[in-house]
Amino acid sequence: DQQVKQNSPSLSVQEGRISILNCDYTNSMFDYFLWYKKYPAEGPTFLISISSIKDKNEDGRFTVFLNKSAKHLSLHIVPSQPGDSAVYFCAASARSNYQLIWGAGTKLIIKP
Amino acid sequence: DAGVIQSPRHEVTEMGQEVTLRCKLISGHNSLFWYRQTMMRGLELLIYFNNNVPIDDSGMPEDRFSAKMPNASFSTLKIQPSEPRDSAVYFCASKGQGATNEKLFFGSGTQLSVL
Repeated sequence: DQQVKQNSPSLSVQEGRISILNCDYTNSMFDYFLWYKKYPAEGPTFLISISSIKDKNEDGRFTVFLNKSAKHLSLHIVPSQPGDSAVYFCAASARSNYQLIWGAGTKLIIKP
Repeated sequence: DAGVIQSPRHEVTEMGQEVTLRCKLISGHNSLFWYRQTMMRGLELLIYFNNNVPIDDSGMPEDRFSAKMPNASFSTLKIQPSEPRDSAVYFCASKGQGATNEKLFFGSGTQLSVL
């Protein structure tokens, strides 16, 4: 049973528009969430994180929102750029240094 | 630092053959994770080592899979005998003592194809 779900395998967005990637989780013990970005033929790299004590964390063009009651988080990219085309993984853990549980990933395609 | 180094980058083998994947951790890191990525299941944790000791191997699919850390900087993942369903990308990742997951660094992966 998947504890972290990314229900959209792929997403296509026009350059300059907002990209919204979604992630749902089932385990209420999770209190730390991360997004990783993966380019082809490379390993995932850390993008942004959020602790359950917050409902929003922003880093430049990237913002992660957390809705604890709905067990849902989303990653917003504004504005979307061609270099953002990648696979985005959502991951969760019970603490900031505990083992991660990963979603299946969403492939984001930014169209020129 | 060169980062986490995996070899080979690509491996094509026939069913029944032994496959060995290799991983060199970042210097000073003491936690090592082996992951498998497939289209259907995303990233699955296979095994986790801390200070060369296997802590959690519950993700290892079956006895055909084994992993070792012969020293603090190097690990191998072996599949014997290999089967077509083992075809996937295998990643290793490392981080330092007590480091948060933002400091988890991945290698570039080994693309394994079992024919």
